[in-house]
Amino acid sequence: DAGITQSPRYKITETGRQVTLMCHQTWSHSYMFWYRQDLGHGLRLIYYSAAADITDKGEVPDGYVVSRSKTENFPLTLESATRSQTSVYFCASSSVHEQYFGPGTRLTVT
Amino acid sequence: ELKVEQNPLFLSMQEGKNYTIYCNYSTTSDRLYWYRQDPGKSLESLFVLLSNGAVKQEGRLMASLDTKARLSTLHITAAVHDLSATYFCAVDISGGTSYGKLTFGQGTILTVHP
Repeated sequence: DAGITQSPRYKITETGRQVTLMCHQTWSHSYMFWYRQDLGHGLRLIYYSAAADITDKGEVPDGYVVSRSKTENFPLTLESATRSQTSVYFCASSSVHEQYFGPGTRLTVT
Repeated sequence: ELKVEQNPLFLSMQEGKNYTIYCNYSTTSDRLYWYRQDPGKSLESLFVLLSNGAVKQEGRLMASLDTKARLSTLHITAAVHDLSATYFCAVDISGGTSYGKLTFGQGTILTVHP
């Protein structure tokens, strides 16, 4: 199916664990993004990528790592999860005039 | 630091009434997006405004952009219950030939009552 998918959709993990959230898009968009959504903050940009092997920090990158070896995939890794990283994570990809969001991953860090 | 501020943050409306949500931003940009989000769901694109003076309408919603005033509005006409949702504006801060790097407002929670 065409579109943008995220996995897992729900994840519960413990403090200190490493967690990877997956994002896959089928449009071959160059630009991909990771946002987190928290009450009272709207969505905030964590990292973005302009192309395979090109990534850059957004507004709130601390504690996160990204990679992009293939155009269609943009995984986000929490190296050592903390409770403050409990959030809903959205992946997005962009054409020139439109940004498409994935369904989101709800992550709880206990 | 770029700020994107929506006003109001909470809006309770009666069906059939009109109202406007405002989105002010603090840096130069000529590309602004409006999204709708239902509880527990992802973001649905409503409008993409790409130049000063742009106006777009879809059903009971109309969005406009004034880049000189750094202001966008989302006008709701004759509200119906189905419009109840959270509405976000987002400013593209990419610059140059890049695109898609968005800064979001806090969101406006709209509730439409009978």
